[in-house]
Amino acid sequence: AQSVTQPDIHITVSEGASLELRCNYSYGATPYLFWYVQSPGQGLQLLLKYFSGDTLVQGIKGFEAEFKRSQSSFNLRKPSVHWSDAAEYFCAVGATNFGNEKLTFGTGTRLTIIP
Amino acid sequence: DAGVTQSPTHLIKTRGQHVTLRCSPISGHKSVSWYQQVLGQGPQFIFQYYEKEERGRGNFPDRFSARQFPNYSSELNVNALLLGDSALYLCASSQDSANYGYTFGSGTRLTVV
Repeated sequence: AQSVTQPDIHITVSEGASLELRCNYSYGATPYLFWYVQSPGQGLQLLLKYFSGDTLVQGIKGFEAEFKRSQSSFNLRKPSVHWSDAAEYFCAVGATNFGNEKLTFGTGTRLTIIP
Repeated sequence: DAGVTQSPTHLIKTRGQHVTLRCSPISGHKSVSWYQQVLGQGPQFIFQYYEKEERGRGNFPDRFSARQFPNYSSELNVNALLLGDSALYLCASSQDSANYGYTFGSGTRLTVV
């Protein structure tokens, strides 16, 4: 069974500082990996996804993530955060076998930005 | 183009009642998935439909059911509501069933009292 662990429930970062959100996954093969962002009361917006190829993935809003097979990780990074980045961030894993397209999400990391 | 549309946006029901939630996918999208997000947790997969057929079901009781119509819109039905069914219900659509190109709606906030 696939699973995702986001070890950090809440992270506080100063505006302009760098950011790294951690994500570890469990899956029997190379998975599809995703990062979503959710603002309060809103749905999920896709930041980036990894299917195959280059292990460093660029996304929207200046975010990037690196797939590390040896560590079963897919950490999200941003070199300089903006106050508008405050939100809940979810890492998700998708199965790669046809006929099983569900996403399994982590419990999320809430990001607070301080001036 | 309109995104994924869900209705209603908010709903309050009493325990034991039945509820129907609706989702209109992006035009051209044939796959619809439903997720339940309890406060403070990540979304959990409930159902996926593609071309009006169920493609996947999560670990939810039989009180939860869904269907997809010829125009690819979808309904999620929950019978005999429990307090624990209070959650944000998210619908996601994609062009087909296998590329994970999901676009999520803003959800329906269900409160069971």
